[in-house]
Amino acid sequence: AQKVTQAQTEISVVEKEDVTLDCVYETRDTTYYLFWYKQPPSGELVFLIRRNSFDEQNEISGRYSWNFQKSTSSFNFTITASQVVDSAVYFCALSLMDTGRRALTFGSGTRLQVQP
Amino acid sequence: SQTIHQWPATLVQPVGSPLSLECTVEGTSNPNLYWYRQAAGRGLQLLFYSVGIGQISSEVPQNLSASRPQDRQFILSSKKLLLSDSGFYLCAWSGQRFYEQYFGPGTRLTVT
Repeated sequence: AQKVTQAQTEISVVEKEDVTLDCVYETRDTTYYLFWYKQPPSGELVFLIRRNSFDEQNEISGRYSWNFQKSTSSFNFTITASQVVDSAVYFCALSLMDTGRRALTFGSGTRLQVQP
Repeated sequence: SQTIHQWPATLVQPVGSPLSLECTVEGTSNPNLYWYRQAAGRGLQLLFYSVGIGQISSEVPQNLSASRPQDRQFILSSKKLLLSDSGFYLCAWSGQRFYEQYFGPGTRLTVT
């Protein structure tokens, strides 16, 4: 069975600080996808990024960056120069590369509060 | 572009009453469809998924059921609600090519 652990329950930072959200996963499969989602106070989950297990290249998108390391089974998410609008719950998730179910296994989420 | 709708947005129901939540997807065909529940302050739990019309797989034994009467319609039902059914219900879809799921706005259900 798969498992995703987000050990940080809640993080509070002041605007413009950098913040890293940790994600550690467990799976016996060698082919899988990893994801990050953002859940703002409105409740709707917003897809941020997908990485596959073959590609350990880090990715940067504006103020967001992701560090994928298979050796430590981690897929961490960094927000640079945080803003109040970044306040949300962030979920890390994993999906096996099967052809049918494609279900996501979610971590418990990290609540990020960015203070002005 | 694809959009996903859920209704109602909020619902307050007494224990023992029936439930019907609806989800529809526009702008895509033959999507995989999913129902998740999120208890207050917790992660998401997969309840049901469907890979096609009439094909439903249950992940968690409970008093809820799901149906997919049309390609882009997914319904979550219950004959008799329990207090423990309270939560935030999210519908999601994924395409055939990529694995990411796109979520609807959700339904907040309170069972009193």
